[in-house]
Amino acid sequence: EAGVAQSPRYKIIEKRQSVAFWCNPISGHATLYWYQQILGQGPKLLIQFQNNGVVDDSQLPKDRFSAERLKGVDSTLKIQPAKLEDSAVYLCASSLGAGGGTDTQYFGPGTRLTVL
Amino acid sequence: GEDVEQSLFLSVREGDSSVINCTYTDSSSTYLYWYKQEPGAGLQLLTYIFSNMDMKQDQRLTVLLNKKDKHLSLRIADTQTGDSAIYFCAERYSGGYQKVTFGTGTKLQVIP
Repeated sequence: EAGVAQSPRYKIIEKRQSVAFWCNPISGHATLYWYQQILGQGPKLLIQFQNNGVVDDSQLPKDRFSAERLKGVDSTLKIQPAKLEDSAVYLCASSLGAGGGTDTQYFGPGTRLTVL
Repeated sequence: GEDVEQSLFLSVREGDSSVINCTYTDSSSTYLYWYKQEPGAGLQLLTYIFSNMDMKQDQRLTVLLNKKDKHLSLRIADTQTGDSAIYFCAERYSGGYQKVTFGTGTKLQVIP
């Protein structure tokens, strides 16, 4: 079974530029998550999709961040314009979406963003 | 509130047991998890425990939960160099969309 795919793996941009990340979840997984992991910290949930609908985006800085999952499969996360404090690893995860504690989240390798 | 705390670093000798500790604040959490993150990789679920359990054992891993003190620990028996990684505890809340909140992570260094 293929895992969660993310691209690119690394990205370096200057502040005020735009950047987009892509995630392809495990086939059949209804729930998709985007996390931000700043160096030395745990992952912080940015947005959670159930199929193509948003169920939680309370911690997404909506003035600069946006995400979509139009067909309920793969997803893109965009930052426009980027700030220095956006430097982090952006992790995508997916789960079956059955709910409950056994709804295991499977993580991709992440995209490391550096904003100069 | 949603706050999960861990010590930053733990160093053990190969073959010894490792104990990684975690404290959380939300008494309504339903499940608690331990994840492992190796360099350059995403998080991998190691094990989880339901909040009405005190202990769970899975091969070399033992999870202890003290719900009264909101304290969770992960014991790794016979620690190997391949266990060197960052370990995150996480809790799932019972309300809303059952969001999972991660701790700050503990870096485990295994000395050969």
